[in-house]
Amino acid sequence: EDQVTQSPEALRLQEGESSSLNCSYTVSGLRGLFWYRQDPGKGPEFLFTLYSAGEEKEKERLKATLTKKESFLHITAPKPEDSATYLCAVRAGGFKTIFGAGTRLFVKA
Amino acid sequence: NAGVTQTPKFRVLKTGQSMTLLCAQDMNHEYMYWYRQDPGMGLRLIHYSVGEGTTAKGEVPDGYNVSRLKKQNFLLGLESAAPSQTSVYFCASSRGLAQETQYFGPGTRLLVL
Repeated sequence: EDQVTQSPEALRLQEGESSSLNCSYTVSGLRGLFWYRQDPGKGPEFLFTLYSAGEEKEKERLKATLTKKESFLHITAPKPEDSATYLCAVRAGGFKTIFGAGTRLFVKA
Repeated sequence: NAGVTQTPKFRVLKTGQSMTLLCAQDMNHEYMYWYRQDPGMGLRLIHYSVGEGTTAKGEVPDGYNVSRLKKQNFLLGLESAAPSQTSVYFCASSRGLAQETQYFGPGTRLLVL
């Protein structure tokens, strides 16, 4: 069964304390892995798309990487404004995008 | 560009009432989607459309209907609301299969009493 699991469910960091969020997946025929940021009361905002193992993408303090079984979202020296829920989604075969439940990130000043 | 907009932002319904949620996009995207988001769960696809005049069922379609009469609009209808439909509903759009990134609206919070 196609599945996407994100860990941890919640992560509390001090400002400047780097860490990583994990997205593990089991799908048949990966067609893309997506990372979104979601602020409270708002819709998900697109961050990255990764298509093949070994691919990496960066944006400001965020860096996403992809292997055959998981993706990591690395956050370097986070700031309080990075606090949000980060969603991972996998596009499988057919017309199916599977979303994980998300990781809630809290960054304290 | 406004991107993806949703109307209304919040609604309270009584069990058995009906309502329509409106989604509009100004990016000339072919594909549009309706999702629901519940606590502790990932976004789940209700219905989607690959072009004007087309609709298809997603993962959780029961109790919902949709229409795509115009390319820029995608309507989600609840004919007889149930408490289990209390959720936050998101509309999204994407350019097509070759450009699969989905762009989301701000959401509609629905409470069914």
